[in-house]
Amino acid sequence: GAVVSQHPSRVICKSGTSVKIECRSLDFQATTMFWYRQFPKQSLMLMATSNEGSKATYEQGVEKDKFLINHASLTLSTLTVTSAHPEDSSFYICGLIRSTEAFFGQGTRLTVV
Amino acid sequence: GENVEQHPSTLSVQEGDSAVIKCTYSDSASNYFPWYKQELGKRPQLIIDIRSNVGEKKDQRIAVTLNKTAKHFSLHITETQPEDSAVYFCAASIGNSGYALNFGKGTSLLVTP
Repeated sequence: GAVVSQHPSRVICKSGTSVKIECRSLDFQATTMFWYRQFPKQSLMLMATSNEGSKATYEQGVEKDKFLINHASLTLSTLTVTSAHPEDSSFYICGLIRSTEAFFGQGTRLTVV
Repeated sequence: GENVEQHPSTLSVQEGDSAVIKCTYSDSASNYFPWYKQELGKRPQLIIDIRSNVGEKKDQRIAVTLNKTAKHFSLHITETQPEDSAVYFCAASIGNSGYALNFGKGTSLLVTP
């Protein structure tokens, strides 16, 4: 069965607004979750590592003030894209590791208009 | 930073033929190498993985080989079928913590009847 649930699957927002994406671990307490971004016809790029109870670790080039990550519980990590712009339109995927195997959420298709 | 190179970017084969996708990595501490199949707009699905203490692994029509000395690993699909058509990503663990992954850029495989 599903290990990771991500919502929403699609969202369209106006430029300048903020969007929150939720990633839930369904049957496992995940101290660490990951957020990836995938542009059309490109690979998954790691944006940040979300750590329960502490600050997220961001990859080089990812603005922490723009992509706010909150991992307040062992089953939920959220990614908020603040002041979204058209260039933020992308496919965002969360993931976690269980027993050394990676599981991914369904992904969120964000379109900023 | 460390990265994963994947080739070819596109691959077209006839049904029944074999397909080979190759990846190289630079992080000598990487110890986990999964392969994912991604259909358009969906989450990546793990198809096979290999760990650094193994040189080859096979699962029905799919096999993966790993050469740690040369830092490269390959995916082999035999007796290809049209439903194998998808984008395939290789990945390598970032270090040996078994956590985040670095992905290759993907290979778009097309199997023609």
